[in-house]
Amino acid sequence: DGGITQSPKYLFRKEGQNVTLSCEQNLNHDAMYWYRQDPGQGLRLIYYSQIVNDFQKGDIAEGYSVSREKKESFPLTVTSAQKNPTAFYLCASGRGEGTEAFFGQGTRLTVV
Amino acid sequence: GQNIDQPTEMTATEGAIVQINCTYQTSGFNGLFWYQQHAGEAPTFLSYNVLDGLEEKGRFSSFLSRSKGYSYLLLKELQMKDSASYLCAESLTTDSWGKLQFGAGTQVVVTP
Repeated sequence: DGGITQSPKYLFRKEGQNVTLSCEQNLNHDAMYWYRQDPGQGLRLIYYSQIVNDFQKGDIAEGYSVSREKKESFPLTVTSAQKNPTAFYLCASGRGEGTEAFFGQGTRLTVV
Repeated sequence: GQNIDQPTEMTATEGAIVQINCTYQTSGFNGLFWYQQHAGEAPTFLSYNVLDGLEEKGRFSSFLSRSKGYSYLLLKELQMKDSASYLCAESLTTDSWGKLQFGAGTQVVVTP
C-alpha cells in the first residue's frame, strides 16, 4: 500500500535532549513538508523540501533541523534549542507546488 | 498561518448549510486547498481550486475568486460527523520554491 508513515505516534523526551522524528513515503512524491500544530491552532510550517538534498526554512524553523538524503525520507530533528517543543508534528508529501499534500498520522511529542 | 484568515468557530444545526470563508495572500498564489481535521487526527484533503468558480464534490463545494483573494467552503446537509476543524491552505510559489501554507482553521460544531 502506498502512503506516508510517521513514527513513533507518541514520543516522550527529557528537556535538553535532541530527538528525531521519522517520516517516510512510498508515493514517489517530490515535495515533503513538516508542520507543527499546537492545541486548538492551525498548522505552522517548519521546513519543506522539493527535491533531494535541498530544503527551505518555513515560518518557525528555529530549533529544528532536517535532511533530505533520499526522496522517500525527510526526518525532522527537534533540538534542545527549541524553546517549547511539546506539540503535534505532522509530515506531508505531495507532487509539488499547486498540488495537494497527503499527511502522515502525526507524532505527538512531549518534552518533560 | 500568516496571510490566511478564516473564522475561528462556527456552529450550525444538523441538516443545515454552513459557509466557511477564507481570505489569502494573492502574491505567488498557485492554488487553494481545503482540508478537514478531526481532533487528534491528521488533516484529510477535501478540495482544490486554482481557477475562479465553484467546484462541487458531493455535499461539499468550494469557491474561488482569485482577484479578491477569497475562497469559501460550503458544507450542505450537515451531519454530526462533520464536526471538525476545516483548514484553508494556499500553495505559494516564492523564489521558485513552492510551499503549502495553512490558516489557523475553523472549528465547525454541528448540533442536533
